[in-house]
Amino acid sequence: SQKIEQNSEALNIQEGKTATLTCNYTNYSPAYLQWYRQDPGRGPVFLLLIRENEKEKRKERLKVTFDTTLKQSLFHITASQPADSATYLCAPPEGGRRALTFGSGTRLQVQP
Amino acid sequence: GAGVSQSPSNKVTEKGKDVELRCDPISGHTALYWYRQSLGQGLEFLIYFQGNSAPDKSGLPSDRFSAERTGGSVSTLTIQRTQQEDSAVYLCASSLVGRDDYGYTFGSGTRLTVV
Repeated sequence: SQKIEQNSEALNIQEGKTATLTCNYTNYSPAYLQWYRQDPGRGPVFLLLIRENEKEKRKERLKVTFDTTLKQSLFHITASQPADSATYLCAPPEGGRRALTFGSGTRLQVQP
Repeated sequence: GAGVSQSPSNKVTEKGKDVELRCDPISGHTALYWYRQSLGQGLEFLIYFQGNSAPDKSGLPSDRFSAERTGGSVSTLTIQRTQQEDSAVYLCASSLVGRDDYGYTFGSGTRLTVV
């Protein structure tokens, strides 16, 4: 089965800087990856999907890259704001199953 | 509905009791998923329903766990003879099959505490 690795240590950055979060997978290369945001006490909220044939995807201040050679996806938030503080989860589909497998997430803290 | 609705939002139960958790997905979403999340942990897949197909139960941790989806809409997750290790937040999500670009829509979850 797919194993997802996200940095378990919190990422602390200053407001206005670019936050970069890493998602590594260890098994097969998925057809796509989804990224979610989760706030305390809430369910995850879908942000972006990137397919294996896409190198990069952008949505407003968000940018996601997908490197199938490195087995890695990077999630960038430019011009970060304190409101971006949350846990960010990456999720590829599990091989033989339609449902997503979620990483444990990386907590981002943006300091004003 | 406008979003995925889960009830109850919180449930405290005594060890050994049975509990039922309810999920009301977005109208028109044919796929429904149950996950659970322990404190500080990632989401653990439990079960997946898609239309009239047999559900994917491969994530259910034991035979004490079961789920059903009636009429292709509301789903109920049942945990029998609850144990303390069942304490977690149980999250339900729904999605449109074939529309991966829209992702999953999650409910706010049911926080289950077994004492």
